[in-house]
Amino acid sequence: AQRVTQPEKLLSVFKGAPVELKCNYSYSGSPELFWYVQYSRQRLQLLLRHISRESIKGFTADLNKGETSFHLKKPFAQEEDSAMYYCALSGTQGGSEKLVFGKGTKLTVNP
Amino acid sequence: DARVTQTPRHKVTEMGQEVTMRCQPILGHNTVFWYRQTMMQGLELLAYFRNRAPLDDSGMPKDRFSAEMPDATLATLKIQPSEPRDSAVYFCASGLVFLYRQTGTNTEAFFGQGTRLTVV
Repeated sequence: AQRVTQPEKLLSVFKGAPVELKCNYSYSGSPELFWYVQYSRQRLQLLLRHISRESIKGFTADLNKGETSFHLKKPFAQEEDSAMYYCALSGTQGGSEKLVFGKGTKLTVNP
Repeated sequence: DARVTQTPRHKVTEMGQEVTMRCQPILGHNTVFWYRQTMMQGLELLAYFRNRAPLDDSGMPKDRFSAEMPDATLATLKIQPSEPRDSAVYFCASGLVFLYRQTGTNTEAFFGQGTRLTVV
């Protein structure tokens, strides 16, 4: 079974501070991990995926298979980063490619 | 700019009534997902289609929910009869899964704006 855990429902930081949103997963095979973001009054959209190994809007995430984690990090948070963040997992074995989300973390960046 | 379209955007209905939500996926996508979003549970996967065939609907209450794809341009989610606990935002998303032998690779899932359902 595929499972994603985001332990923090709410996270509040000050502008310029580092931020880390935690994500742990459970999957017996080789997973694909994603971070999606939902800004106020906007659609849920892809932020980044581990396969791409890219930095988007200053955010990075490294897949740690030993710890089964895919934490999202940004060294200096900005007010416009305030949003709902969802970690998601897709299986890669035939028939398990459904996209399963964690419960989300609401990030608030204070001025 | 291709987008997933969901209708209606808002729906208020009385308990016991049938509710139908519609989704137009992006042309060319082979995968459609239905999710329910609530404060307590976040995004729950209700159903998952690939090439219009239902692959997984284990997240859906079978007695009252049903999901179908009558054609490649339309996915529907029905609730009959509706109950107050069904009040939530329902999202549809579409994407591409590339299959190679026994493995599949998901690309980006594109979400609709959601249907906010209130059952009174």
